[in-house]
Amino acid sequence: AQSVTQPDIHITVSEGASLELRCNYSYGATPYLFWYVQSPGQGLQLLLKYFSGDTLVQGIKGFEAEFKRSQSSFNLRKPSVHWSDAAEYFCAVGPFSGGYNKLIFGAGTRLAVHP
Amino acid sequence: EAGVTQFPSHSVIEKGQTVTLRCDPISGHDNLYWYRRVMGKEIKFLLHFVKESKQDESGMPNNRFLAERTGGTYSTLKVQPAELEDSGVYFCASSLAGTPPTNEKLFFGSGTQLSVL
Repeated sequence: AQSVTQPDIHITVSEGASLELRCNYSYGATPYLFWYVQSPGQGLQLLLKYFSGDTLVQGIKGFEAEFKRSQSSFNLRKPSVHWSDAAEYFCAVGPFSGGYNKLIFGAGTRLAVHP
Repeated sequence: EAGVTQFPSHSVIEKGQTVTLRCDPISGHDNLYWYRRVMGKEIKFLLHFVKESKQDESGMPNNRFLAERTGGTYSTLKVQPAELEDSGVYFCASSLAGTPPTNEKLFFGSGTQLSVL
């Protein structure tokens, strides 16, 4: 079955520290992979996406993610976290059963940032 | 440019009542999606409109849910009668068709928090 697992429900880091959010997927075909962020009171915003090519993808707000097919992972990283990065992060895979934006999301990782 | 707008932002109703959620997509976006997040779990696909037509409603939980998009502009999602398990956050998203499809980008609304008591 197709699924996305985000093992960490909550993560707390200090401002300026590095960050890695984990994402593992189960998908029968070559996946399209996404990371979205939801800040309080806002809609989900696309951080980055991977379709093919270079397995290290750069996104907005200084985020990057690396696709590792052998590990079925697409972890999100940021070298130095800012207080404004506190939000909930969702990994997603698609498309499934047709429809380009029919996505399967993980349960999310809530990030807290300590000053 | 206005983003995707959802009304209301919060709704608290009693079991058995009816609730209607509304989504106004970005002007000109033919694609409109509804997603739902229940109990802090995964965000799950509900359905997809292309203009006024339902392209895919395979994610709709049951026949208590009815989605419409008259005229291909705004969309409504009605739950009648509401049950406790319908509580969650309902997200709407819209997009323009991409060329190629990988250029298509989803824009999400901030969601409607539905609480069924």
